[in-house]
Amino acid sequence: GIQVEQSPPDLILQEGANSTLRCNFSDSVNNLQWFHQNPWGQLINLFYIPSGTKQNGRLSATTVATERYSLLYISSSQTTDSGVYFCAVERNEYGNKLVFGAGTILRVKS
Amino acid sequence: EPEVTQTPSHQVTQMGQEVILRCVPISNHLYFYWYRQILGQKVEFLVSFYNNEISEKSEIFDDQFSVERPDGSNFTLKIRSTKLEDSAMYFCASCAGGFNQPQHFGDGTRLSIL
Repeated sequence: GIQVEQSPPDLILQEGANSTLRCNFSDSVNNLQWFHQNPWGQLINLFYIPSGTKQNGRLSATTVATERYSLLYISSSQTTDSGVYFCAVERNEYGNKLVFGAGTILRVKS
Repeated sequence: EPEVTQTPSHQVTQMGQEVILRCVPISNHLYFYWYRQILGQKVEFLVSFYNNEISEKSEIFDDQFSVERPDGSNFTLKIRSTKLEDSAMYFCASCAGGFNQPQHFGDGTRLSIL
């Protein structure tokens, strides 16, 4: 099946710093989503981004489908950004399952 | 914005008992999913459901598990004879279907087996 690798596995930032999280996937996809899992365990959908670039406030994401990777940028990080960030991809048949990466654990220190 | 709702938020059950986890997907969505996340691990696919039948299931989804859409609005996951290793967060998701449609996730049910 498709493989999803996220890096780095862990990241510690000082409040106000910027960061880039990466997601590599092993096959062509028609869906890619970034999630933030908060301390209560909820999965918050950040972006639906099978290709191209999107921005939402301090967050932005870019997916280069032809090179099979996606990047999540966090600018001016805040302590509330702490948590686990997951990338998940779906194969070319719609209605198919999402395959999740192992996540990046982000800790933002004040 | 429409949401996927899951109940209960936390369920504690004795080993060997049956549990039913409930989900109300977004009303015009056609595809429904259950995922599982064991504490500290990644989210894993369990089963997808479309047109009143299972469309795909993982190797985790054995005879202990079943899904149902009993009334056109609820989508349930039943676990028979629960085991300690069934302790996990269970997420329901739904999708409108077609291309360029994301999956929308509920807040999850934390299942604790004692």
